[in-house]
Amino acid sequence: QKEVEQNSGPLSVPEGAIASLNCTYSDRGSQSFFWYRQYSGKSPELIMFIYSNGDKEDGRFTAQLNKASQYVSLLIRDSQPSDSATYLCAVVPNQAGTALIFGKGTTLSVSS
Amino acid sequence: DTEVTQTPKHLVMGMTNKKSLKCEQHMGHRAMYWYKQKAKKPPELMFVYSYEKLSINESVPSRFSPECPNSSLLNLHLHALQPEDSALYLCASSPAGQAVEAFFGQGTRLTVV
Repeated sequence: QKEVEQNSGPLSVPEGAIASLNCTYSDRGSQSFFWYRQYSGKSPELIMFIYSNGDKEDGRFTAQLNKASQYVSLLIRDSQPSDSATYLCAVVPNQAGTALIFGKGTTLSVSS
Repeated sequence: DTEVTQTPKHLVMGMTNKKSLKCEQHMGHRAMYWYKQKAKKPPELMFVYSYEKLSINESVPSRFSPECPNSSLLNLHLHALQPEDSALYLCASSPAGQAVEAFFGQGTRLTVV
């Protein structure tokens, strides 16, 4: 079973702070890693993807990947109340073709 | 255009009904997916089509029957469902090949009564 693990939270941060979301995965052969944001009752929305070790920045979001530790994280700088949502980590395991396998998600709450 | 369109948005069906969910994309993607999502749970993979061929079936009961008539369309035929099948059904698409991002439709909220 290919597993993707996330702390379900809730993670509570004040407005303007940095939110740090973490994810570990079990399949060492996984090649691609994604962060989706999902508001209650809505579908997942892709916010970041990362394929190589290191950091990838896009606006207020930074994805970090460490394949040796099988760890991927998402940092949200200057958190806003509109960032309050569930953040899903998704991985394409080596033997799963292109199919995403999701973690359980971390609920983020940003208070104003 | 990064849009995946699902219809209907909401569906209520009885346990003896037959219905179909539809998904359409015009991004030229050659991989399409059905996921099922229960409340407060992550999306759970059901089926994967790659180049219009079924490549992954995650041991889904036969009351769910996928169909990919062409590279832009994906259907999910439903028959004799159970109340526990009530969920949000999500369609997604991506370019074929690994290391590519998938885009989701808005989902169909299915209620089985």
